Amino acid sequence: QSALTQPPSASGSPGQSVTISCTGTSSDIGGYNYVSWYQQHPGKAPKLMIYEVSKRPSGVPDRFSGSKSGNTASLTVSGLQPEDEADYYCSSYAGSNNLVFGGGTKLTVL
Amino acid sequence: QLQLQESGPGLVKPSETLSLTCSVSGGSISSSSYYWGWIRQPPGKGLEWIGSVFYSGTTYCNPSLKSRVSITVDTSKSQFSLKLSSVTAADTAVYYCARHSPMLRDNWFDPWGQGTLVIVSS
Repeated sequence: QSALTQPPSASGSPGQSVTISCTGTSSDIGGYNYVSWYQQHPGKAPKLMIYEVSKRPSGVPDRFSGSKSGNTASLTVSGLQPEDEADYYCSSYAGSNNLVFGGGTKLTVL
Repeated sequence: QLQLQESGPGLVKPSETLSLTCSVSGGSISSSSYYWGWIRQPPGKGLEWIGSVFYSGTTYCNPSLKSRVSITVDTSKSQFSLKLSSVTAADTAVYYCARHSPMLRDNWFDPWGQGTLVIVSS
């Protein structure tokens, strides 16, 4: 059982927006602004999409955005494109030099 | 462009020690103040942080694995290594190495190696 809870699946049509949630506790997401999100295509390594809740690394499209409210972080993908179909994982600092991941969400572009 | 590559046996027997090395190219482990991490992914499942090592040798590990994990760094070879002892079938996974953020708590991994599948079986 993963430390952070994500919905197993999410979907949207091309051009639409979809939001993926990541729920933790006051000991991880709620306690720190160190949430990151990763995109993973089948058979590939994860790719960093968002760090420190809402910052985008160079090269990541601005269609990807992150936010946090209380113990829940969210990743929003706007203007969905076929290549956005992938698994998405959240991660949070959990204090005491520990990091935790979510179980992952499979995003389907209909 | 920084690149990471995992190497090591793809098959390990139960109760033995899993050993993997990550080779870093396109940049030096010792010239940059980053942590370097190991993450694993059992087949069909999610990601799990194993641990990370600073270029100076300081190491932090997942509490659930800490008693079995050793992570070391060899700056002269621009490599860092993972040893996981007393393995069971539950340790079967794709093992990734990645550059970790300069501060552990900043919690980001980028870039990642391609990953290597390790199967624990007799």
